[in-house]
Amino acid sequence: AQSVTQPDIHITVSEGASLELRCNYSYGATPYLFWYVQSPGQGLQLLLKYFSGDTLVQGIKGFEAEFKRSQSSFNLRKPSVHWSDAAEYFCAVATFSGGYNKLIFGAGTRLAVHP
Amino acid sequence: DTAVSQTPKYLVTQMGNDKSIKCEQNLGHDTMYWYKQDSKKFLKIMFSYNNKELIINETVPNRFSPKSPDKAHLNLHINSLELGDSAVYFCASSITSQQGYTFGSGTRLTVV
Repeated sequence: AQSVTQPDIHITVSEGASLELRCNYSYGATPYLFWYVQSPGQGLQLLLKYFSGDTLVQGIKGFEAEFKRSQSSFNLRKPSVHWSDAAEYFCAVATFSGGYNKLIFGAGTRLAVHP
Repeated sequence: DTAVSQTPKYLVTQMGNDKSIKCEQNLGHDTMYWYKQDSKKFLKIMFSYNNKELIINETVPNRFSPKSPDKAHLNLHINSLELGDSAVYFCASSITSQQGYTFGSGTRLTVV
């Protein structure tokens, strides 16, 4: 069955430090992968996506992610974290059935940023 | 202009009541979705409509009934509300799977 695992429930970093959020997926075919961010009380905003081509993808707000097929991973990175990056981050994979797709989400990683 | 808008943003109601949540998208997308986010922030798909046709119906109690009057609107009606229905409900839309989904800002439902 298709699934997404985000091993870290909660991560705390200092402002200005680098960040890596882990995501592992289970999917038989070439995956379509996404990272979303949810600020407190807000909806989900798409940070970046991968479905083919260059395995290093750039997103909004200075985020990037690297697709590694051999490791079934799609980790999110940012070289220098800002206090406004504190939020919940979700990794997702698009699955296909009967010609239609749905997004399956990981459980999320809550990022806290220390000043 | 809000791309995917949901109303109401907050909904507090008593057990046993019936309530509706409305969703509208102005992106011209063909497909719309309802997701439920529980207290642990876990997101799970409930329903999906493509051009007013139901295409995904996950294991959801039949007290939940989606309705899509046109491809820009997807409403969610819930009968006989239970405490366990308390959650944040997100509407989303998409045009292709490669583009991902655009989410609304959510409706926080609290059943007391």
